Amino acid sequence: ETGVTQTPRHLVMGMTNKKSLKCEQHLGHNAMYWYKQSAKKPLELMFVYNFKEQTENNSVPSRFSPECPNSSHLFLHLHTLQPEDSALYLCASSQDPAVTPDTQYFGPGTRLTVL
Amino acid sequence: LAKTTQPISMDSYEGQEVNITCSHNNIATNDYITWYQQFPSQGPRFIIQGYKTKVTNEVASLFIPADRKSSTLSLPRVSLSDTAVYYCLVGDPFNNAGNMLTFGGGTRLMVKP
Repeated sequence: ETGVTQTPRHLVMGMTNKKSLKCEQHLGHNAMYWYKQSAKKPLELMFVYNFKEQTENNSVPSRFSPECPNSSHLFLHLHTLQPEDSALYLCASSQDPAVTPDTQYFGPGTRLTVL
Repeated sequence: LAKTTQPISMDSYEGQEVNITCSHNNIATNDYITWYQQFPSQGPRFIIQGYKTKVTNEVASLFIPADRKSSTLSLPRVSLSDTAVYYCLVGDPFNNAGNMLTFGGGTRLMVKP
């Protein structure tokens, strides 16, 4: 257990569905992240939130919409996805990217399949 | 951004010591070196982090030469459960958090009986 939980662990959705992924961290961290990991590809950073403010968006399509209501919770809202969006979506948290050294703690991920 | 290069894969046997080397020729003065481990369908897990010389914890050792252009993760006496992908990251957490968040392809370690 890393102190970062993600729900659901598995999700199957159609291209017209709307769903949300949830991440919660119990570590008192200030920064939270969404990553995408496709089969046999490196992790791709999607979004970064620091103190609830979005500080990075790596050119992610608008069909992915993040939400960070507080430092402990992070959501990824999904809408009109494509089959190529099927991947493992990982959430991570860290104390503060401006503090050295900063370490990320990852959740178990949500395995998403888009039909 | 400091780019890292690691071997794509390595094989080892139980009980052996495994050394995985990461090259980072353009590492900057303020950059730290961090290693993560990832099992299939799980998130990466922090292993060790260092700036120079040698760092050791209960899981691994990290060797960094004086020029810091490479680093070596050393796993003593590996077991089957050490089969995973190992990622080397280099970056300056002070000035560019994004640097620390760029995962390369990693090294896929296979430990055999």
